[in-house]
Amino acid sequence: DQQVKQNSPSLSVQEGRISILNCDYTNSMFDYFLWYKKYPAEGPTFLISISSIKDKNEDGRFTVFLNKSAKHLSLHIVPSQPGDSAVYFCAATAGSNYKLTFGKGTLLTVNP
Amino acid sequence: DAGITQSPRHKVTETGTPVTLRCHQTENHRYMYWYRQDPGHGLRLIHYSYGVKDTDKGEVSDGYSVSRSKTEDFLLTLESATSSQTSVYFCAISEMQTSEGETQYFGPGTRLLVL
Repeated sequence: DQQVKQNSPSLSVQEGRISILNCDYTNSMFDYFLWYKKYPAEGPTFLISISSIKDKNEDGRFTVFLNKSAKHLSLHIVPSQPGDSAVYFCAATAGSNYKLTFGKGTLLTVNP
Repeated sequence: DAGITQSPRHKVTETGTPVTLRCHQTENHRYMYWYRQDPGHGLRLIHYSYGVKDTDKGEVSDGYSVSRSKTEDFLLTLESATSSQTSVYFCAISEMQTSEGETQYFGPGTRLLVL
């Protein structure tokens, strides 16, 4: 029972264009969502997060959108840069819960 | 970068042998976690700790045990390693429980191969 789903294993975009990474969840108790970025042979690094009381959060080139009714969130990267090439994980947690539930990840490749 | 180290970084062992992985933090964070990452599965929580000597199971805890005798150290033990435990293991820490404004910070990982 996968509660957090990233249905696109990979995504390829051109430098300068927008990258849109998608994530769906099934657990309606989830109220806090995070995106992590991971380079090969390194640990995941936190990128951006959003609380369920919001529908958008921005940080520089990165914006996360949350659609609670659809149980869907997306990460927009504008403009995309070659250094953004990495695996992106969506994660979620519920209330007073220590645990993150991760999606399987999407490999983003930004071509020069 | 959060001060998290993992040791060893790479290990090859044989089926049936015990293995202990160490996570050490210098941030004095209360919460510590062990995850494994496998192709097609993302990251899955093995065990976590919410204080010294306070631990609980995650979603894939079978075959693993943990101990936390000091704030800074969280040990993951494979009592009798199996080939299915070949994976990359990540330790993470957080100051508070993961909620708005808080996140988990990950170590560099330990790559374990069980032959």
